Formats: sequence, structure tokens, C-alpha cells
Amino acid sequence: DSGVTQTPKHLITATGQRVTLRCSPRSGDLSVYWYQQSLDQGLQFLIQYYNGEERAKGNILERFSAQQFPDLHSELNLSSLELGDSALYFCASSVDPTSQETQYFGPGTRLLVL
Amino acid sequence: GNSVTQMEGPVTLSEEAFLTINCTYTATGYPSLFWYVQYPGEGLQLLLKATKADDKGSNKGFEATYRKETTSFHLEKGSVQVSDSAVYFCALSDRDTGRRALTFGSGTRLQVQP
Repeated sequence: DSGVTQTPKHLITATGQRVTLRCSPRSGDLSVYWYQQSLDQGLQFLIQYYNGEERAKGNILERFSAQQFPDLHSELNLSSLELGDSALYFCASSVDPTSQETQYFGPGTRLLVL
Repeated sequence: GNSVTQMEGPVTLSEEAFLTINCTYTATGYPSLFWYVQYPGEGLQLLLKATKADDKGSNKGFEATYRKETTSFHLEKGSVQVSDSAVYFCALSDRDTGRRALTFGSGTRLQVQP
């Protein structure tokens, strides 16, 4: 158990819908990362937050957004869903991206868009 | 940009065989290197890491040495077990650019037969 929790574990929805994925980092970790794992694109970095502020962006679509709240949990919002958004979405956390590089991953949320 | 190249899988071995999974990288800065493992139905777990040239990361009988001259970080294990069956991901984090998000290889599936 990495200490990172993600909910829900599975999500099935329809095209055009909007969903919210939730992540709670390990106790004491200030930085949260979101990754997408799909069969065709592999594991890709989406976005990073540090202590409530956006730190870095990767291959995140404009239809996707995220935020980190004062209690440090993070939410990833996916809207206008398409079939191709079906994937496993991972959250990872680390203490401080400048001094602690090890990222600890949650179990993931499996999203299926029908 | 940064990239990680791993050998194609699946790699199928008999129990107690020697394992090598090749990993090479391209980075604009001076990266830290990681191996993560994903067991069926689970998230990613850090297996080992190395943060500077000639460092050797090791864990659970697995080893990898950071080779700057050949830009490689090959994973090895002297004697694999059935329980090692999983997908292995090589990854880098580029410290110099300040971007700590991980860049992953495509993953190598290992199947160990009794």
C-alpha cells in the first residue's frame, strides 16, 4: 500500500458526459501528479500540482482540468468524454518535487467510456 | 525532449532464469532514473532508482546501474520467480529542467513459467 488513495476504482459512463476522479496523497506529500495509461499511448503525464498551485502541464487535453485543494487532495475533471478517453488514470504524490523525486502511485481509476 | 526506450515484450522465462530488460534514455538535462513494476490489476510500485552516474539501484534481487556513457539503465535479476511476472517500466525524471514529472518507456511484460 503506497498510501495514495484514489476513488472511484472503476467508472463507466457515456460519451459526452463529465466525470471527476479524486486523489488523496500520502500524508505529508505536497505534490500531486496525474498520469493516463492507455493501450495506444502508454503512460503519459497529464498535470502536476504543488501545494495547491499548478506546477507543470503535460499532454493534457483542454477538455480535462484539475485542481488541488487546501487539504491537498486533488481532483481531475474530464468533460465531453470521448471513446478514446477510456484509460487507467493514476495519481502519484511526492513530498517536494525539488528534493524528493520518488513518486508514489495510487491504485488508479479505470474509466470506460461507452 | 526526453524519451525512454525499452525492449519489446513479452519476455518469457523459466523460473530461476537470468533476466535482463534493456532501457535507454534521451534527456536534455541530467536525469534521475527509475524502474517501476505493475502487477496485474494494481498500480505502479517503485522497484529501484538511481540519481547519478554509476549509481546502482537494487531491491528484491533486482539491480540496475546508471550508465551515462551509454545512456542506459538496464534491469537485471539473477534468478526470477513466478511472482516476478508483471509489467516493468523504465522512467526518468529530469531534474535540470525543473520538471519532475516522469517520462515512461512503453513497458515490458515479463512472464515467468514454473
